[in-house]
Amino acid sequence: EVQLVESGGGLVQPGGSLRLSCAASGFTFRRYWMSWVRQAPGKGLEWVANIQQDESEKDYVNSVRGRFTISRDNARNSLYLQMNSLRAEDTAVYYCVRAIAGYWGSSRYIDYMDVWGQGTTVTVSS
Amino acid sequence: QSVLTQPPSVSGAPGQRVTISCTGSSSNIGAGYDVHWYQQLPGIAPKLLIYGNNNRPSGVPDRFSGSKSGTSASLAITGLQADDEADYYCQSYDTSLSGPLFGGGTKLTVL
Repeated sequence: EVQLVESGGGLVQPGGSLRLSCAASGFTFRRYWMSWVRQAPGKGLEWVANIQQDESEKDYVNSVRGRFTISRDNARNSLYLQMNSLRAEDTAVYYCVRAIAGYWGSSRYIDYMDVWGQGTTVTVSS
Repeated sequence: QSVLTQPPSVSGAPGQRVTISCTGSSSNIGAGYDVHWYQQLPGIAPKLLIYGNNNRPSGVPDRFSGSKSGTSASLAITGLQADDEADYYCQSYDTSLSGPLFGGGTKLTVL
């Protein structure tokens, strides 16, 4: 069974740090782009970051660039999100997702997400 | 800032047909990028419902269908059932964002 299981969420003070982890199973992890998507309480979905199979390319939404770092360990079938300088507006459920790449000429991009984890909750509050 | 616009809510009676629209712009749908749809049941993670404008993953009933034209797309649900009650999100790649862009979501209520 294809599965993504997140961990590492919790309550943190503004300015603090947190590291999210995602354990993948049931598929060849190293062959896929991976992403993090978040959902603030009562709000919609927001793409946060994605990482190419060999970590050669990483992209971030502007609001987290410079504060969050996405990484992966293909030997451990794991995806990570290091979150620093956390703000109240980062409060959300964070989903680990498997991403399917599309091709536009010679460029690749994240087309859609076909497998989602159950999510881990991050609350930034004093 | 790029947006994909969806109606906040739609409703229908059991057995009826409903559609959910998703309007984008020249930096996403209008640029030729595909539209995808996700279903989020209450309290549960989203699930891929439609990919590549009109393709259904294995296990998704053919009551769900998608279409795309110009800068817009639509999700149609026929034979509405009580357990279709959920939030539905459209998504496309956006060149201004340089990443996937989600619509604001539409809450479907089955009357």
